[in-house]
Amino acid sequence: GIQVEQSPPDLILQEGANSTLRCNFSDSVNNLQWFHQNPWGQLINLFYIPSGTKQNGRLSATTVATERYSLLYISSSQTTDSGVYFCAVSSGSARQLTFGSGTQLTVLP
Amino acid sequence: SAVISQKPSRDICQRGTSLTIQCQVDSQVTMMFWYRQQPGQSLTLIATANQGSEATYESGFVIDKFPISRPNLTFSTLTVSNMSPEDSSIYLCSVEGVRGSIAGELFFGEGSRLTVL
Repeated sequence: GIQVEQSPPDLILQEGANSTLRCNFSDSVNNLQWFHQNPWGQLINLFYIPSGTKQNGRLSATTVATERYSLLYISSSQTTDSGVYFCAVSSGSARQLTFGSGTQLTVLP
Repeated sequence: SAVISQKPSRDICQRGTSLTIQCQVDSQVTMMFWYRQQPGQSLTLIATANQGSEATYESGFVIDKFPISRPNLTFSTLTVSNMSPEDSSIYLCSVEGVRGSIAGELFFGEGSRLTVL
């Protein structure tokens, strides 16, 4: 099946800093989503982005499908941005998502 | 997006018992999935819940351990049978085909956190 790698595994930032999270995948995808898992375990949808660029407030994402990677940008980070960020993909005829191992983000006040 | 409700939100269970988790969506959806997240780990797909027929299980998961039902387009249950401490995880329901959403986009319930003693 498709492989999904995320980097870095851990990231510690000072409040106000910017960061870039990366997701590499091993095959062409028909779906790519970024999620934020909050401390209570809930998965929050950030972006549905199998290709192209999207922005939502301080967050933006870019997927370069031909080169099999996606980037999530967080600008002016806040302590509430802390948590685990997951990239998940599906390929071929599959509808279910395969998740990467996540990036644990800690934003310090 | 849809409202995806899971019950229970958390539970503490004894070894050897079984627990059924419910997933209720406030609108009809095309696809329903069940995922497991073990402590400190990523999410792993258990199975696709098929309406009116047997679920499709991923490698490493079997029906006897994780029986799944999906009687209609808005509801599914996952049972964790004969539990052991290794089953302590967050179990998440996921849906696709929510009215008004992007085709293919998946949404998740708030999860059911099980601790097995």
